[in-house]
Amino acid sequence: QVLLQESGPGLVKPSGTLSLTCAVSGGSISSSNWWSWVRQPPGKGLEWIGEISHSGSTSYNPSLKSRVTISLDKSKNQFSLKLSSVTAADTAVYYCATARSGPFDSWGQGTLVTVSS
Amino acid sequence: QPVLTQSSSASASLGSSVKLTCTLSSGHSTYIIAWHQQQPGKAPRYLMKLEGSGSYNKGSGIPDRFSGSSSGADRYLTISNLQFEDESDYYCETWDSNTRVFGGGTKLTVL
Repeated sequence: QVLLQESGPGLVKPSGTLSLTCAVSGGSISSSNWWSWVRQPPGKGLEWIGEISHSGSTSYNPSLKSRVTISLDKSKNQFSLKLSSVTAADTAVYYCATARSGPFDSWGQGTLVTVSS
Repeated sequence: QPVLTQSSSASASLGSSVKLTCTLSSGHSTYIIAWHQQQPGKAPRYLMKLEGSGSYNKGSGIPDRFSGSSSGADRYLTISNLQFEDESDYYCETWDSNTRVFGGGTKLTVL
């Protein structure tokens, strides 16, 4: 079973860029999975941010598309999220997740990112 | 793009059964969905993939107490013999070309 682990700064200043990495173990990032980011603001539901395929094709949530970049690093078996021009509304627990054919079937443990000066 | 609608809360007694509903928007009634469980303070956990026919495939280690069914645009998650550890938020998920969508989640309380 694929295991996922998020890492990155827990505090980002307003107008800055949020950067997170998801390390993949127990499987190859070059496999035919989709590699995704999902976030959850405090006390609220899940929001899909976007995803990338093993070949590098990306899809993004239209509401975030202008600020989001997801990329692969095959040499390190990991993928990354960058979210620019952040505000307090971007404060959330950020999860990485993966799907083989259809739904997310493996989730990371999540990391809290707070946007504050 | 599809929209998923869930009731915000549900409750049932210890040892009883509960049926949670996820409704697909008009024009999307044939879509496959998935159910995820999120216990307090934890990451979501994949429970099952559920087709419009009612056929479902559960994730690894998911107890037999969890089952799925379908009727039209409605997708159901039934939990039998409720345990206190089942008190969680339950989310449905679906996907289309280039997009994924979650329902708003149902908070289940075990009395």
